Amino acid sequence: EADIYQTPRYLVIGTGKKITLECSQTMGHDKMYWYQQDPGMELHLIHYSYGVNSTEKGDLSSESTVSRIRTEHFPLTLESARPSHTSQYLCASRPGGAEGYTFGSGTRLTVV
Amino acid sequence: AQTVTQSQPEMSVQEAETVTLSCTYDTSESDYYLFWYKQPPSRQMILVIRQEAYKQQNATENRFSVNFQKAAKSFSLKISDSQLGDAAMYFCAYRSVNDMRFGAGTRLTVKP
Repeated sequence: EADIYQTPRYLVIGTGKKITLECSQTMGHDKMYWYQQDPGMELHLIHYSYGVNSTEKGDLSSESTVSRIRTEHFPLTLESARPSHTSQYLCASRPGGAEGYTFGSGTRLTVV
Repeated sequence: AQTVTQSQPEMSVQEAETVTLSCTYDTSESDYYLFWYKQPPSRQMILVIRQEAYKQQNATENRFSVNFQKAAKSFSLKISDSQLGDAAMYFCAYRSVNDMRFGAGTRLTVKP
């Protein structure tokens, strides 16, 4: 039973389109993250947030942007999708302390 | 910067046997957390086991246990009585105050 939800689960779009990947969590976690992962490969941090109105870029250079207007919501936007954006995008959140991440089911994006 | 190394890209185990997945990390910090995550094919990433660095006792969760060697900066995962459902990518992760660092993953195959 997931407490963090990502939509859509799969998405195929054309080059140049603007898209927003949704991520919402019901656990009240302050910290949220977006990772990019090619299937079966390592995770690359692209954005994170430590709370409302706080967003930072991660290690992987990304042409995406994020916003954090509400604690529970952390959408990722691609202004102009390209084939190089084809990948899986994972959203995660965590509380403070020793707890690990809770991950969403991911969005598998294909740009044609 | 902290790094996490999983030196085994792929591992294989016979059903009901035991397998150990290796993980080493590099850090200058004394207080941190270590995690093992499991990612089944096309399914959600889930937390398998967690270890706080200040605890000397190795964490155990049913068939999953860790061998935490702080001085050696080693954090291996042992899966006992392997089951077909254990087949997945396994990611080792390190976290201090800031964000999680993941290893490149180990793909575990379970043979019937």
